[in-house]
Amino acid sequence: EAGVAQSPRYKIIEKRQSVAFWCNPISGHATLYWYQQILGQGPKLLIQFQNNGVVDDSQLPKDRFSAERLKGVDSTLKIQPAKLEDSAVYLCASSLDMIREQYFGPGTRLTVT
Amino acid sequence: AQSVAQPEDQVNVAEGNPLTVKCTYSVSGNPYLFWYVQYPNRGLQFLLKYITGDNLVKGSYGFEAEFNKSQTSFHLKKPSALVSDSALYFCAVREPSGTYKYIFGTGTRLKVLA
Repeated sequence: EAGVAQSPRYKIIEKRQSVAFWCNPISGHATLYWYQQILGQGPKLLIQFQNNGVVDDSQLPKDRFSAERLKGVDSTLKIQPAKLEDSAVYLCASSLDMIREQYFGPGTRLTVT
Repeated sequence: AQSVAQPEDQVNVAEGNPLTVKCTYSVSGNPYLFWYVQYPNRGLQFLLKYITGDNLVKGSYGFEAEFNKSQTSFHLKKPSALVSDSALYFCAVREPSGTYKYIFGTGTRLKVLA
């Protein structure tokens, strides 16, 4: 069974630029999550989808971050414009449903200079 | 509000010795508890979970965790540590209803010394 795929693996941008991350969850997984993991901290949930609907985006900085999950499969997370404090690893995870364990992708390491 | 605490930033243990990585939680209602491991440059991997039932939960790679309701703890254990167990370990608590949102601890780095 293929795991959660993410791209790119690494990205370096200047502040005020835009960036987008892509995630392909495990086939059949209805729930998809985006997390931000800052060095030395645990992952922080940014947004949670159930199929193509948003379940929780309470910690998403909506003035600069956006995410979508068209057709309930792949998802993209966008930052526009980026700030220095957005430097982090962005993790995508999926699960069969909202109750079961999550499976994580390898993450995208973003550096904002 | 629910929370999870991992009181140790780092745990060092000699290979072959038993290991314990500590986790305490605070949650309204029955807790759903998880352990994940993160190897360098890789995403988090699920180790084990407690939802209900037996307080001793067995998971991947020989790890187990003991749920203690009175002490609100969910410590991760392994009888005999391997050098390859060296990694970052995260405890997580999930809301028992609603969005079932995860709250992760800050992580504990386990170093197994040969």
